[in-house]
Amino acid sequence: GAGVSQSPSNKVTEKGKDVELRCDPISGHTALYWYRQSLGQGLEFLIYFQGNSAPDKSGLPSDRFSAERTGGSVSTLTIQRTQQEDSAVYLCASSLGGGQTYEQYFGPGTRLTVT
Amino acid sequence: AQKITQTQPGMFVQEKEAVTLDCTYDTSDQSYGLFWYKQPSSGEMIFLIYQGSYDEQNATEGRYSLNFQKARKSANLVISASQLGDSAMYFCAMRETSTGANSKLTFGKGITLSVRP
Repeated sequence: GAGVSQSPSNKVTEKGKDVELRCDPISGHTALYWYRQSLGQGLEFLIYFQGNSAPDKSGLPSDRFSAERTGGSVSTLTIQRTQQEDSAVYLCASSLGGGQTYEQYFGPGTRLTVT
Repeated sequence: AQKITQTQPGMFVQEKEAVTLDCTYDTSDQSYGLFWYKQPSSGEMIFLIYQGSYDEQNATEGRYSLNFQKARKSANLVISASQLGDSAMYFCAMRETSTGANSKLTFGKGITLSVRP
């Protein structure tokens, strides 16, 4: 079966523009996560979905960031009025859910560059 | 305080030798999970191995094993018989059940491993 897919793979945008990043999780995975990886940094958690609801949004850095998930599947991360510090690789992951032993499977990421 | 600490800035190992990548963690939860991921230069995150806090045996997956020392709060990854393809960044991560069974992973900053031929 297909793994986690993300689109676009690369996005260059001008400061102040809005961007949408898409994640398509593995079929049947109820849990979905967004992380951000900046140059030389580890992974920073952004938001977690269980089904269509987001029980943990604690990692969203500002109100310019939002995310939704529809139909328990595809998720979109939206960044409004982008800033240069938003430049990073945005990684999506999914897992079966239901227990802490389930590993998260990661997508290839979207590299966002804000100029 | 950092929850996951990976202090080795970069590691080098000769092909076919074993190498240990260090990870220490900090949690007050009694139940938690520890994970190791590999990130090659291509960027994808690849799951390697998992250790539960209540597991009495150290986890093993092929050439990967996890040296889990609960009292010391360390979860070091051991790679045996290193291969050139093992050259990558390695991340240690933890999930704490106090924040939910499917909660986020908290990652360390990673360790770069280079395997020399």
